[in-house]
Amino acid sequence: DTEVTQTPKHLVMGMTNKKSLKCEQHMGHRAMYWYKQKAKKPPELMFVYSYEKLSINESVPSRFSPECPNSSLLNLHLHALQPEDSALYLCASSQMTWSTGANVLTFGAGSRLTVL
Amino acid sequence: SQQGEEDPQALSIQEGENATMNCSYKTSINNLQWYRQNSGRGLVHLILIRSNEREKHSGRLRVTLDTSKKSSSLLITASRAADTASYFCATSFQGGSEKLVFGKGTKLTVNP
Repeated sequence: DTEVTQTPKHLVMGMTNKKSLKCEQHMGHRAMYWYKQKAKKPPELMFVYSYEKLSINESVPSRFSPECPNSSLLNLHLHALQPEDSALYLCASSQMTWSTGANVLTFGAGSRLTVL
Repeated sequence: SQQGEEDPQALSIQEGENATMNCSYKTSINNLQWYRQNSGRGLVHLILIRSNEREKHSGRLRVTLDTSKKSSSLLITASRAADTASYFCATSFQGGSEKLVFGKGTKLTVNP
């Protein structure tokens, strides 16, 4: 299995809703990522989990709450979002090869979020 | 900002022509990668070049890296309509290899 699976593909939510985005990989990768991508812009890093521990938080607002229940799963909990949070949310994973310094990411297809 | 800058922002060519995209960055890197993104979908890794390498090939792709100029180029030879996509460089910085920062991207259109 060489895929990263993201669900749902599309999500529409109101500003008072609570929803979650889910990500799963079975490649044995020990690092998992959330990126946010607005239209015609590059992906922006939000969070990194290494060995199931949060290692990077790029000053993301607390209305986004990541969770890594185990080495295969990554969630992004959403609460009280704003319309400007509408974007494509990309999950990725990598098998960090520290000895070579290479960190190649495998991305999911993304979850397109619309906040009304 | 550590972010790479791609050049050009958009490129339109005919099938069979070569496409060259450039990327510049600001700080010392461990390696530089190129990714491709079809419209509204996830990114796909194309090629990685390490800081001690100057050139790398993979199929129709050729990547160069000039660390003295902090720049890289991606050449796609004999382009096909299926190469139409956005291409991003991504850099992994010394002391921060978990963190991969993407450049602004080049939108390539290959016309049949």
